[in-house]
This record gives sequence, C-alpha cells and structure tokens, in this order.
Amino acid sequence: DAMVIQNPRYQVTQFGKPVTLSCSQTLNHNVMYWYQQKSSQAPKLLFHYYDKDFNNEADTPDNFQSRRPNTSFCFLDIRSPGLGDAAMYLCATSIGTGDYEQYFGPGTRLTVT
Amino acid sequence: QQPVQSPQAVILREGEDAVINCSSSKALYSVHWYRQKHGEAPVFLMILLKGGEQKGHEKISASFNEKKQQSSLYLTASQLSYSGTYFCGTENDNAGNMLTFGGGTRLMVKP
Repeated sequence: DAMVIQNPRYQVTQFGKPVTLSCSQTLNHNVMYWYQQKSSQAPKLLFHYYDKDFNNEADTPDNFQSRRPNTSFCFLDIRSPGLGDAAMYLCATSIGTGDYEQYFGPGTRLTVT
Repeated sequence: QQPVQSPQAVILREGEDAVINCSSSKALYSVHWYRQKHGEAPVFLMILLKGGEQKGHEKISASFNEKKQQSSLYLTASQLSYSGTYFCGTENDNAGNMLTFGGGTRLMVKP
C-alpha cells in the first residue's frame, strides 16, 4: 500500500545533541511537510518542500533544518534540541498545496533529556 | 492566524449527534477537516472549497459558510469509532497557501 513512513517512531536525545528524523513516501507526491505537535495542541507547520523548493514558516526556529535529497525522502534535523522541542513530529505529503488532501505519517515522538 | 474551534471537548452517548464549529477571523478559501485518534496520525475527512458547500462522508458531513468565515462538522448517530480529536485546517487564499489548524475538539463517544 502507498504510504508515508516515519522512522524512528520514538526518539530520545540529550539536550543539545543533534538529532535527525526521517520520512519517506511511496505516493510520489510533490509536497512534503513537517509539523510539530505538542501534547493536546494542533499540528504546527514548520516547513514544506514543493519538489526541491524549500519553504520555511516565518516563526520556525533556526534550530530546525530540513533536507529533501529526492522525491521520496525528507529529513528533519534539529541541531541543538532543547527541552521545549520535545513533541510529536508529523510528516505529511500531498499532490499539491492548498486544495489537496494531506496524508500523514504515524509521527516520531521526540523526548529530550 | 489560528482558527477557533468550539466546543473544546464533547462527550456523547452512542447514537447521539454532535456539531463542531470552526471560525476564522480572515476570509477563507477552503476548510479541511481531519480526525486524530490518540497516538495516531491525523486522517483526512473532507475538504470544502466553496461558500455554502456541504459535503458528506458516511454519517459525517460538513458545511462551509464563506460569508461568515466558518465551517461546521456534523456527526450524526455517533459511533464509538468516532472518538478522537477533530481538527479543522483553514486556507486563507487561492495561492497554494498552507493550512493553519485549529486547536482541536476532543470527542468521546461512550457506549
């Protein structure tokens, strides 16, 4: 089945230690998104790629970076995680932006110790 | 700006109906509805693109009042499987804008 896969599902990192979360898709969608979702809150968009074009949300901290080496994969790098970065990180894909359904992966729960 | 959802939480008995509202302070181009079960990814329910448009999905339907800048999600004859948190996501223009999600409405259906 076509899907959005995130690895790992659970990640524990130390304060200040860089961490990378990965997302892959078999849907061949043009757009890939990264959202941060804290407990009992709405998903908050960090950035998205439309093909190779990177689009950063204005309020996304510089501590968060992303890479999309090809259509199928997208990575979220957190350069120096703080305690406030502990959250669920959701990857989503869509054919296009705006009017199109987004397909979400199962998420990676990040714990910062 | 984040759309406002109401109510924040609702508890139903199986078979009862519920309405979840989503309001924006900005003009809306589209409204998306997603349901997220605890510990799982959000799952798409429907998109509403035009003012006054209503869409249905099994016993879940929604309306979009462009003039009032709001959308409502209707759950009729609720089932246990409807439990979860419902998010509306709003798009504010027709330029491929990103979605901004509301704070969510937690729905619990009890037997």
